[in-house]
Amino acid sequence: GQSLEQPSEVTAVEGAIVQINCTYQTSGFYGLSWYQQHDGGAPTFLSYNALDGLEETGRFSSFLSRSDSYGYLLLQELQMKDSASYFCAVRAAGNKLTFGGGTRVLVKP
Amino acid sequence: DSGVTQTPKHLITATGQRVTLRCSPRSGDLSVYWYQQSLDQGLQFLIQYYNGEERAKGNILERFSAQQFPDLHSELNLSSLELGDSALYFCASSAQQTTGELFFGEGSRLTVL
Repeated sequence: GQSLEQPSEVTAVEGAIVQINCTYQTSGFYGLSWYQQHDGGAPTFLSYNALDGLEETGRFSSFLSRSDSYGYLLLQELQMKDSASYFCAVRAAGNKLTFGGGTRVLVKP
Repeated sequence: DSGVTQTPKHLITATGQRVTLRCSPRSGDLSVYWYQQSLDQGLQFLIQYYNGEERAKGNILERFSAQQFPDLHSELNLSSLELGDSALYFCASSAQQTTGELFFGEGSRLTVL
């Protein structure tokens, strides 16, 4: 099966940088995704890394190291609207997309 | 708006009952996924369909079943409901069978009393 670990909560101030780490154990790894979910809302796709390296999309960047079974999501220039839960998810053998438990990010003024 | 439509948005029912949740994927998407999210929990994968066929199965209870119809909409049937089945049920769709990018509907919130 698959297992993913990410911190449960992170607090930071507006304008700061936050890094959310995700480590995973899986078989047949294809890629690592990141999703954002505001309270009461639907998860929305942020990024997908299939290969090692850094992918940048605006203020958000995602990194993957397949050899270390590790990835992270970097949130830069934090804004109040970035307060949400962030989930890493592994695409692995059997077509499953398995989600981690989520990291709640609280942005303070 | 992701383009994925789920109905009903809210549902309140009693233990022992049966409910059906419906999902219409984005236009053109062949793959449909169902996830369960309990209060303050992560997303638990239930099942995936691709073009009408089951492709992957998670920890879906035997009391739960799903199917994808020829018009690609999907239904998740929950029977003999228990209090612990109260949760948000999300449907997601994708164009490809294997991808990390899913488009989620707004969810169906089920409350079992």
